[in-house]
Amino acid sequence: AQSVAQPEDQVNVAEGNPLTVKCTYSVSGNPYLFWYVQYPNRGLQFLLKYITGDNLVKGSYGFEAEFNKSQTSFHLKKPSALVSDSALYFCAVREAGGGADGLTFGKGTHLIIQP
Amino acid sequence: GAGVSQSPRYKVAKRGQDVALRCDPISGHVSLFWYQQALGQGPEFLTYFQNEAQLDKSGLPSDRFFAERPEGSVSTLKIQRTQQEDSAVYLCASSLAHTTTSGAKNIQYFGAGTRLSVL
Repeated sequence: AQSVAQPEDQVNVAEGNPLTVKCTYSVSGNPYLFWYVQYPNRGLQFLLKYITGDNLVKGSYGFEAEFNKSQTSFHLKKPSALVSDSALYFCAVREAGGGADGLTFGKGTHLIIQP
Repeated sequence: GAGVSQSPRYKVAKRGQDVALRCDPISGHVSLFWYQQALGQGPEFLTYFQNEAQLDKSGLPSDRFFAERPEGSVSTLKIQRTQQEDSAVYLCASSLAHTTTSGAKNIQYFGAGTRLSVL
């Protein structure tokens, strides 16, 4: 079975400060890892993915994430937060090379950037 | 550019009614997924199609839920005899390749969802 934990329901960051949204995962084999962002009344928007290779993944809007196999983590980061980054962020996992077809999502983390 | 389109955006049903939710995936995408997102939760997988074949329906919560994709493009999720616990946002996603493919072709792109409220 695969699972994702996002330990923080909400993260508050001042505009211009660095932000981190935490994610840990569990899969039987190697993971495919994803971050999505959801704005009110809109669908999930793809931000970035880890498939294989470099542990530091860069994505849209200046976001990046670091894959850490030993800690089974895939935290989302951005060096300087913008008010427009305020949204609901989801981490998702799927086992590579078989296993479940669908993504398994965390519960989501509300990111609030304060001006 | 055409993304994943879902209709209707909102649906109100009386308990016991049947509903049908439509998904138009990105043109040429082989894989199509349905997810259910309850209030305050992350999306949960319902079912997966590769072209017209429904290869995984392990997430469908009961036999009242039925999905089809007869021509390998548009898909319909049908819920029979709706119950209050069916109230949720139903999300559709598509990806270019089948799920055993790695890399960018495996990214799932989501529609805006259909919010179903069962009274």
